[in-house]
Amino acid sequence: GAGVSQSPSNKVTEKGKDVELRCDPISGHTALYWYRQRLGQGLEFLIYFQGNSAPDKSGLPSDRFSAERTGESVSTLTIQRTQQEDSAVYLCASRYPGADGNTIYFGEGSWLTVV
Amino acid sequence: SQQGEEDPQALSIQEGENATMNCSYKTSINNLQWYRQNSGRGLVHLILIRSNEREKHSGRLRVTLDTSKKSSSLLITASRAADTASYFCATDARNNNDMRFGAGTRLTVKP
Repeated sequence: GAGVSQSPSNKVTEKGKDVELRCDPISGHTALYWYRQRLGQGLEFLIYFQGNSAPDKSGLPSDRFSAERTGESVSTLTIQRTQQEDSAVYLCASRYPGADGNTIYFGEGSWLTVV
Repeated sequence: SQQGEEDPQALSIQEGENATMNCSYKTSINNLQWYRQNSGRGLVHLILIRSNEREKHSGRLRVTLDTSKKSSSLLITASRAADTASYFCATDARNNNDMRFGAGTRLTVKP
């Protein structure tokens, strides 16, 4: 597609339920990132995928969070047993990495509200 | 963990004034980028400066980089109400390809 696509745009879920957030990166972009942003806060790095390399999961806040990516395509971020503190915008981004750095392109985010 | 830290956290100016935002980072970098975010949604790339560059211009934007101090500044000249947004710096570290963002500066330009 023309840009990074995320779904759903908005999700309201009950505490304790599982949610899946989807990211469709720009075609050909081998690097994919997930970030979390709480209201009025900065971007918190969650996980990074680069091609077929092992992902960098160092930012995942707990074992309730996991993410998968098949090859260089769609990624899914799963949050199990959601808590109210998980309420945030989850932003996905992709880029085609190069030796001199390239622009990272963001989706519009998935706004998660846990009630 | 976050790599960059912007200051100030919030900045309010009148239309026509210049706005300066600063960013500090911790590790060696390949480049540093500035992004803009409206209304808590996706970020938009503004400008990239490489580690061997000291200053770069793009329209009303001027970015400086001081690798010895591990800091960068973003200057927006002749600000407009439409510049109201949050601005983030992001660093491309030398030892990996992940990108870390700071907490951002929330800029308000009053008409």
